Formats: sequence, C-alpha cells, structure tokens
Amino acid sequence: ETGVTQSPTHLIKTRGQQVTLRCSSQSGHNTVSWYQQALGQGPQFIFQYYREEENGRGNFPPRFSGLQFPNYSSELNVNALELDDSALYLCASAAAMNTEAFFGQGTRLTVV
Amino acid sequence: AQSVTQLDSQVPVFEEAPVELRCNYSSSVSVYLFWYVQYPNQGLQLLLKYLSGSTLVKGINGFEAEFNKSQTSFHLRKPSVHISDTAEYFCAVHTGGFKTIFGAGTRLFVKA
Repeated sequence: ETGVTQSPTHLIKTRGQQVTLRCSSQSGHNTVSWYQQALGQGPQFIFQYYREEENGRGNFPPRFSGLQFPNYSSELNVNALELDDSALYLCASAAAMNTEAFFGQGTRLTVV
Repeated sequence: AQSVTQLDSQVPVFEEAPVELRCNYSSSVSVYLFWYVQYPNQGLQLLLKYLSGSTLVKGINGFEAEFNKSQTSFHLRKPSVHISDTAEYFCAVHTGGFKTIFGAGTRLFVKA
C-alpha cells in the first residue's frame, strides 16, 4: 500500500465547469507531481510541487493550476473544462526530488 | 529532450511462456529508468527501477530488466507469465529534476 490517496475516485463534469481534485501524500513526502492519463496513453506530466512551490511544469495550459499545502497535500484545479480533459488524473508523492515516486489510484474525470 | 518508445502496443502470450516487453529511450544525460504496471481502473505500481550499478535489475512478481546504455534500451522480461500478469506496462525515464516521462504503454495479455 503506497499511502497516497486521491479524491474523488470518479467525477462527471460539464464542459466549461471547473473542477478540483485532491491528493494526500504519503507520510514524510514533500514532493507531489500530477499526471494526466488519457485513455490508451501513458501518463503526461502536468506539474510538480516541492515544499508548497511549483517546481516544474509540463505542456499544459494555465487553466491547469495547483496548490500544495503545509501538510504537503495537494490540489489540482482545472478551469473551463473541455471534452479532451476527460482522463485519469494521477498524483504521485516522493520524499524528495529525484527519489522514487509513489502513485495514488487516480481520479477518473469525465467531461460531458 | 528525453523520450521513451515502447516498441509493442500489445503483446499476447500463453500462460507459462516467457515474455519480453521492449523499451528504448532517448536522452543526452544520465537517466533513471523505471517499469510500472497498471491494472484496470488502478494507479501505477512500481515493478523495478535502475538508478545505477548492476545493469540487471530484479523487481517484484518475478520481473527483471536489463539496462543497455549502448543501445539505450531497458527491456522488461519474465521467464514464465501467469494469467494475473495481464495488465498495462509502462516504461519511464527520469533525468533528475522534476519530470518523469512515460512511454505509451504495452498491453500484456496472457492467455490460458
């Protein structure tokens, strides 16, 4: 058991709406990364947070934003949802940068 | 820029037969290499990793992989597969810093 938990597990939203996904890191981990996994594809890096600061970002538009809290839990926010945002969103936590990351079970987002 | 190519999108194999899932990567710097497994509707589970040292890496569930720097490959092998090994397998590369790059995945289908 990895100890990384994500909520909710499934979510249905309408195009144009906003969504917040949550991730609780494994105990002792200060680094959180978010990935988008579209159906039939590998995970794509969205961004990473280290000690509450964004530490790096993939090729995603600004309507994808995040937060990391003092307890190192994290949120992924997506504004103005599009149909192509439908995917499995994965959170991964690590004890530090460049160390092994542990993945949560993911949140399945469906945009209709 | 780094990239990962998984050469087979699907690999069907009979139970108790050996299997090899192929992965090639491209990077101009030293890399860390990983194989993950994803069962339906679940997150990613780490099978094994290469950070440094011995090029033959053993992981969980009887899997192993060999790092070949000259051929920039990191193929995953198992001498005898089980029905329960049916899943999606992802090769990934991490170059230090904040981003892990995943391949598109290989679906292993084990037949009775």
